[in-house]
Amino acid sequence: SAVISQKPSRDICQRGTSLTIQCQVDSQVTMMFWYRQQPGQSLTLIATANQGSEATYESGFVIDKFPISRPNLTFSTLTVSNMSPEDSSIYLCSVLGLAGYNEQFFGPGTRLTVL
Amino acid sequence: SQKIEQNSEALNIQEGKTATLTCNYTNYSPAYLQWYRQDPGRGPVFLLLIRENEKEKRKERLKVTFDTTLKQSLFHITASQPADSATYLCALWTTDSWGKLQFGAGTQVVVTP
Repeated sequence: SAVISQKPSRDICQRGTSLTIQCQVDSQVTMMFWYRQQPGQSLTLIATANQGSEATYESGFVIDKFPISRPNLTFSTLTVSNMSPEDSSIYLCSVLGLAGYNEQFFGPGTRLTVL
Repeated sequence: SQKIEQNSEALNIQEGKTATLTCNYTNYSPAYLQWYRQDPGRGPVFLLLIRENEKEKRKERLKVTFDTTLKQSLFHITASQPADSATYLCALWTTDSWGKLQFGAGTQVVVTP
C-alpha cells in the first residue's frame, strides 16, 4: 500500500488569491492524480501528473487555473489560482497501487473554503 | 451521456442486519468496478474490485455482485456494525480511460446499535 500525505489539511482563503496544495507519497510512483470533491458530489478527476511531462487535464479543467508540478516520483503540487467561492471543495491526490489498476490510494484531502 | 448513479438517500440500518447498496451506470463498458469507503474528513479507501467477467466477489463481511447486462453492481455488508457507518463509493474503470476512475457520488450508511 501507499501512504499519502497532503498539506495543508484545510485552509480558508480570500477570493482572487491562490493556494498550493502539496502531495507526498512514501514510494516512487509514475502517475499521480488530482481530484476535486464538492460537497455531496462525486470525486471529479482534475488531471493526471506524470513525472517529467506536462500534466494531462480533464475536460473543464485548464492549466492556467490548476497548474500542477511533478518534480520527482514522490511529490506533486496542485495550485488553485485566482480563487472564487466556487472553488470551495476538497482536493485529493491519489496514486495507483503497486498491482497497477486494481486499486487507488488517496491522500486525506485538503478542505478549501474560499470567501 | 455517461452516468454513475448511487442512492443519494442515507441508508439507516440496525446492527446485525445486511446493508445493500446499489450502483447503476449508463453508457460505460467498465473493465473493472470498484467499491471504496470514505469516512468524514478522509480520502476514500479501496475495499473491493470486481472484473467484468466476474459475477460475485467476497471479502470478509463484504460481498459485491456485478451484472453487466443490467449495468448494475450491488454491495452488501453482512452482520453490519456501527463501525461500518461511512459513505460508500462505486467507481468504474474502462479500458479507454487508463488509470482514470469514474466515481459515483456515494451512499451514506448509518448503522445503529
